[in-house]
Amino acid sequence: EAQVTQNPRYLITVTGKKLTVTCSQNMNHEYMSWYRQDPGLGLRQIYYSMNVEVTDKGDVPEGYKVSRKEKRNFPLILESPSPNQTSLYFCASSPLDRVHGYTFGSGTRLTVV
Amino acid sequence: GESVGLHLPTLSVQEGDNSIINCAYSNSASDYFIWYKQESGKGPQFIIDIRSNMDKRQGQRVTVLLNKTVKHLSLQIAATQPGDSAVYFCAENPGGGSARQLTFGSGTQLTVLP
Repeated sequence: EAQVTQNPRYLITVTGKKLTVTCSQNMNHEYMSWYRQDPGLGLRQIYYSMNVEVTDKGDVPEGYKVSRKEKRNFPLILESPSPNQTSLYFCASSPLDRVHGYTFGSGTRLTVV
Repeated sequence: GESVGLHLPTLSVQEGDNSIINCAYSNSASDYFIWYKQESGKGPQFIIDIRSNMDKRQGQRVTVLLNKTVKHLSLQIAATQPGDSAVYFCAENPGGGSARQLTFGSGTQLTVLP
């Protein structure tokens, strides 16, 4: 089944403790992206990647890192999480030439206390 | 950057009625628009899209209307069903359909009443 898999689905952590949210897609998509979703603010892009070893900042990249060492994986790294990073996170992937082919993962709900 | 917004955050309709969800966009350069549906506990799913050289596009029970004069987008759902209850987002893309940065609206919660 074609899908984007995020892990974990739920995570509670403490301020300052490094964490990684994994994202993997099995559709051979070039494009991958991370969004955070907050009430009243909609989906805001954190980082995106057009292909392996190519990453770019989105609208809200502060406090996050990403890497794209393999085509299928696009992990989101929070080096020192803070409470304002408590949010619902989505990974998405797409072929480069078909933006409506965005496939989203099921989301990761992160709480930083 | 410019943003996409929605007129109403919530909408309740009776089962069987038609639903209309509205969206205003501000980037006049955007030439491709998408509607997504997000059910509780799931990620957004593509519903329908439209390019700026069209003013109407129909799918199965859904129709998207685009009014470029007033920068307005709407999603019409015919004969709304309980399974249509979800949050609906519009998104715009200035890149002509290629995979670039989408700008999403904040969403409208559609509730279908029995």
